[in-house]
Amino acid sequence: QKEVEQDPGPLSVPEGAIVSLNCTYSNSAFQYFMWYRQYSRKGPELLMYTYSSGNKEDGRFTAQVDKSSKYISLFIRDSQPSDSATYLCAGDSGAGSYQLTFGKGTKLSVIP
Amino acid sequence: SAVISQKPSRDICQRGTSLTIQCQVDSQVTMMFWYRQQPGQSLTLIATANQGSEATYESGFVIDKFPISRPNLTFSTLTVSNMSPEDSSIYLCSVEDGYNYGYTFGSGTRLTVV
Repeated sequence: QKEVEQDPGPLSVPEGAIVSLNCTYSNSAFQYFMWYRQYSRKGPELLMYTYSSGNKEDGRFTAQVDKSSKYISLFIRDSQPSDSATYLCAGDSGAGSYQLTFGKGTKLSVIP
Repeated sequence: SAVISQKPSRDICQRGTSLTIQCQVDSQVTMMFWYRQQPGQSLTLIATANQGSEATYESGFVIDKFPISRPNLTFSTLTVSNMSPEDSSIYLCSVEDGYNYGYTFGSGTRLTVV
């Protein structure tokens, strides 16, 4: 079983839709959870990170972690064509582990 | 966040040859990380490079195949040696973000081995 599972999609939504991207993980040691956005032919870009369970909001983006169910979510409100990218979730146990574990990524297309 | 310049951005190489990928950071960093991103697969950590010490390799990666240099606090190279088509992948270097918990990535090197 992979430590971080993520539906690869592709996911196609109309502009303005609310997007929900999800991951599950198996490593109970994970304390930090990250979402990266990767445009085609670019490196991943850190969108948000969350420590332990809870929600974190940044503009149109909301990250949610439920450690009891080992479930990670990213919500994008009022999605824009510029949000079209691959979104990667990742977990890390912290404490200087430097051991990020990534999901495979979900490819999102926002159609104008 | 740190800004990372990675070279080359892409290359097509013959099997059996080697390619050295360079990673330059605009600030001094203690640790630099090298990842591989194979098509349809997760980003996978190859090794961690500290300045002044041998790189630490993850399971499945060996120094003979992926030698790494870290001559100073802003620069590192990864060499992919004796390449085969299975080495065709995107290789990325990364450093700690510095402002947020997380990591900053270079734009990657897209390698095709023929």
